[in-house]
Amino acid sequence: GQQVQQSPSSLVLQEGENAELQCNFSSTATQLQWFYQSPGGSLVSLLSNPSGTKHTGRLTSTTVTKERRSSLHISSSQTTDSGTYLCASPANYGNEKITFGAGTKLTIKP
Amino acid sequence: AQTIHQWPVAEIKAVGSPLSLGCTIKGKSSPNLYWYWQATGGTLQQLFYSITVGQVESVVQLNLSASRPKDDQFILSTEKLLLSHSGFYLCAWSLWGGAETLYFGSGTRLTVL
Repeated sequence: GQQVQQSPSSLVLQEGENAELQCNFSSTATQLQWFYQSPGGSLVSLLSNPSGTKHTGRLTSTTVTKERRSSLHISSSQTTDSGTYLCASPANYGNEKITFGAGTKLTIKP
Repeated sequence: AQTIHQWPVAEIKAVGSPLSLGCTIKGKSSPNLYWYWQATGGTLQQLFYSITVGQVESVVQLNLSASRPKDDQFILSTEKLLLSHSGFYLCAWSLWGGAETLYFGSGTRLTVL
């Protein structure tokens, strides 16, 4: 099945700095999703990016499918960005078995 | 608009006692439904998924079972809790499978003593 590795495991930045998070997966991901998990545990989807570059707000994701890696760039970080960022992928399109990475815990200091 | 409701919000249970967690999705017919579990500080693990009423597939064996008695309802249960069942349980739904349209409930925090 799909394996997902995320790095770094934790990241501490000052407010205003940019964050770069990495996700590597073991087999070609036809779907690649980034999620945000709040300190309280709730999860929300940030963006889907199986290939290429996608932007939403201060988030930019770049996925290189043949190298089986994706990155999430957060620009001008804010304290409210603190939390855990997870990437997830099924083994193939429409596959119901979805694997999550262990996440990057991001802490933004004021 | 679709809503997903999980209950209870939190539970404290004794080892060996039974457990039932529930999840209801409103505003969407025939969703794909999922149960996830996360140990404290751990990785989110998919436990079960269901594509249709009455059919549930197991992904990870944790001495838990799941059922889908109605189109909009997903139940996670066990007759005997273990200490290792402690953690955060999340229900999710999607439109057509995969991770792209995965929406999560607010979760149930379970403590087994």
